[in-house]
Amino acid sequence: EAGVAQSPRYKIIEKRQSVAFWCNPISGHATLYWYQQILGQGPKLLIQFQNNGVVDDSQLPKDRFSAERLKGVDSTLKIQPAKLEDSAVYLCASSLDFKFSYEQYFGPGTRLTVT
Amino acid sequence: AQSVTQPDIHITVSEGASLELRCNYSYGATPYLFWYVQSPGQGLQLLLKYFSGDTLVQGIKGFEAEFKRSQSSFNLRKPSVHWSDAAEYFCAVGLYNQGGKLIFGQGTELSVKP
Repeated sequence: EAGVAQSPRYKIIEKRQSVAFWCNPISGHATLYWYQQILGQGPKLLIQFQNNGVVDDSQLPKDRFSAERLKGVDSTLKIQPAKLEDSAVYLCASSLDFKFSYEQYFGPGTRLTVT
Repeated sequence: AQSVTQPDIHITVSEGASLELRCNYSYGATPYLFWYVQSPGQGLQLLLKYFSGDTLVQGIKGFEAEFKRSQSSFNLRKPSVHWSDAAEYFCAVGLYNQGGKLIFGQGTELSVKP
């Protein structure tokens, strides 16, 4: 069974530029999560999807971050414009269905450096 | 508010020695608890989980953890550490009434000396 795929693995941009990250969850997983992990901290949830609907985006800085999961499979997270404090690892995770399965499987992450 | 505390930022143990990583949580209901491990440049791998039942849970790679409700703790243990166990370890509580999202501790970095 293939795991959660993410790309790119690394990205370096200048502040005020835009960037997009892509995630492909495990096949058949209805729930998809995006977490932000700042160096020295644990991951923090940004947004959660159930199929193509948003379950929780309370921690997403909506003035600069956006995310979508149009067909209920792949997801894209975008930052526009980026700030220095957005430097972090962005982790995507998926679970079978949050209503009855609480195990989340994580991808390798995208390391973003904003200069 | 829900929170997870890992009091030790960095621990060093000798290869072959026993290991205990501490985790305390704050949550108003019965928690779902997890331990994840993260190697450099890698994502998070699930070591073990507690949902209910037996409070001593076994995981992969020889790890175990014990849930103690009275102490709000879920400490991770391993009887004999291997050099390959060097990594960052994260404790997390799953909020089953909030979409199952995970609240993570800040992590404990484990170094293993020969």
